[in-house]
Amino acid sequence: DAGITQSPRHKVTETGTPVTLRCHQTENHRYMYWYRQDPGHGLRLIHYSYGVKDTDKGEVSDGYSVSRSKTEDFLLTLESATSSQTSVYFCAIRTGNPNTGELFFGEGSRLTVL
Amino acid sequence: KQEVTQIPAALSVPEGENLVLNCSFTDSAIYNLQWFRQDPGKGLTSLLLIQSSQREQTSGRLNASLDKSSGRSTLYIAASQPGDSATYLCAVPGSSNTGKLIFGQGTTLQVKP
Repeated sequence: DAGITQSPRHKVTETGTPVTLRCHQTENHRYMYWYRQDPGHGLRLIHYSYGVKDTDKGEVSDGYSVSRSKTEDFLLTLESATSSQTSVYFCAIRTGNPNTGELFFGEGSRLTVL
Repeated sequence: KQEVTQIPAALSVPEGENLVLNCSFTDSAIYNLQWFRQDPGKGLTSLLLIQSSQREQTSGRLNASLDKSSGRSTLYIAASQPGDSATYLCAVPGSSNTGKLIFGQGTTLQVKP
C-alpha cells in the first residue's frame, strides 16, 4: 500500500460546513494526488502536489483547496461543502520519476454531504 | 486531449476461463500504462506497470501487453477464479510532466464458480 493513510475514512456532514481530508504517507515521495470517484464519471483528478508548498489544479478543482506543508501530509479542504461533493476521495502517491514511476492509492475517504 | 476507453464495461465468465480485458487510448505518446484492480468499497491496487519501452509485463496469472502505435493494451487473466471478481482499470499519464493519470471507466469482471 506504499504507506498511505487517509483520514477520516467516512464522514457525513451538512451543506455549507468546511471539511478537511488528510492523506499521510510514510515513504517521503514527492508527488501526491487527490482524486474523486463517482459513478458514471470514473476517477477525476482534483489537485496534485509536486513538493512541499507546490500544488496545482486538476480537472475538477472548483470548490476544493489543498495544502502541503510537510512532505508526508497532503490535505484536501472543501471550504463550504455542497451535495455535489458527495463522493469517494482517493489519495495517491507516485514513486520515483513522474513519467515512469508507479501510482499507489490509499483506501479512500467516503464523504456524504446532506 | 488523452482519452482512455475500456471495453467491455462488464464481463461475466465461468471459473477457469482465460479472458482478455481491453484498454485503448487516443494519444500514443505515453511513457507507460498502468493496470489497477478495485474491489467494491476499496481503493485501487496496482497490478502491472508497463513502460513505453516494454511490450508486456507478467505477474502470476496476469499478463499485460502494450502496443503504443495502435493505442491499445490488453490484460490477460489466465485460469480465472472467483477471487478475480473486481473492477479493472487502466490508466495512462496525462500530457504534462506531472505524473497524473487519465483513467478508463473500468471493466467489472464477475467470475462464477
